[in-house]
Amino acid sequence: GAGVSQTPSNKVTEKGKYVELRCDPISGHTALYWYRQSLGQGPEFLIYFQGTGAADDSGLPNDRFFAVRPEGSVSTLKIQRTERGDSAVYLCASSLNPGANEQFFGPGTRLTVL
Amino acid sequence: GNSVTQMEGPVTLSEEAFLTINCTYTATGYPSLFWYVQYPGEGLQLLLKATKADDKGSNKGFEATYRKETTSFHLEKGSVQVSDSAVYFCALTYSGNTPLVFGKGTRLSVIA
Repeated sequence: GAGVSQTPSNKVTEKGKYVELRCDPISGHTALYWYRQSLGQGPEFLIYFQGTGAADDSGLPNDRFFAVRPEGSVSTLKIQRTERGDSAVYLCASSLNPGANEQFFGPGTRLTVL
Repeated sequence: GNSVTQMEGPVTLSEEAFLTINCTYTATGYPSLFWYVQYPGEGLQLLLKATKADDKGSNKGFEATYRKETTSFHLEKGSVQVSDSAVYFCALTYSGNTPLVFGKGTRLSVIA
């Protein structure tokens, strides 16, 4: 049984560039979460999908960040005009609905903005 | 808003020592409480959880008891091993697939 996978594992980009980070949740999990973990900090919530729709995007820091999940499975986190402060590990997690509150995490994508 | 506060690390212990990592929370209602662990080079893994007051979560020799009166969920292990070296995160959420709220993490180093 495959767990949550994320690609790429590492991404280095230049300030101002656009990046996409991909998450493949566990098959059958309807809930999908994106978190961001800065160095020395705990993960911070960005956005949560239930099926195809964003149920809560209150954690997105600004309008440069956007995420989609068009078919209710794979999700892509998109960051426009990247800034050095966007450098972090981006984590994806999924959970089984309904009512389950255990989230399973992927290995993360380490984003470095030069 | 909801928040989680953990004791600051790093914590360095000798093998077979007793471990306590303190965690307190601020939340309305009755959240579920979790400890996640992040081993070097690996992703976050659920270590244990408790979903209501006085529940005790346990796994791999680790334990934590949900104490509503003190809003705490301290992690304990009677005898740590070198392989327990990792970063430990306390977290809370509510039922219904709400996001997790994490503490800042506590790095544990166990030396032989």
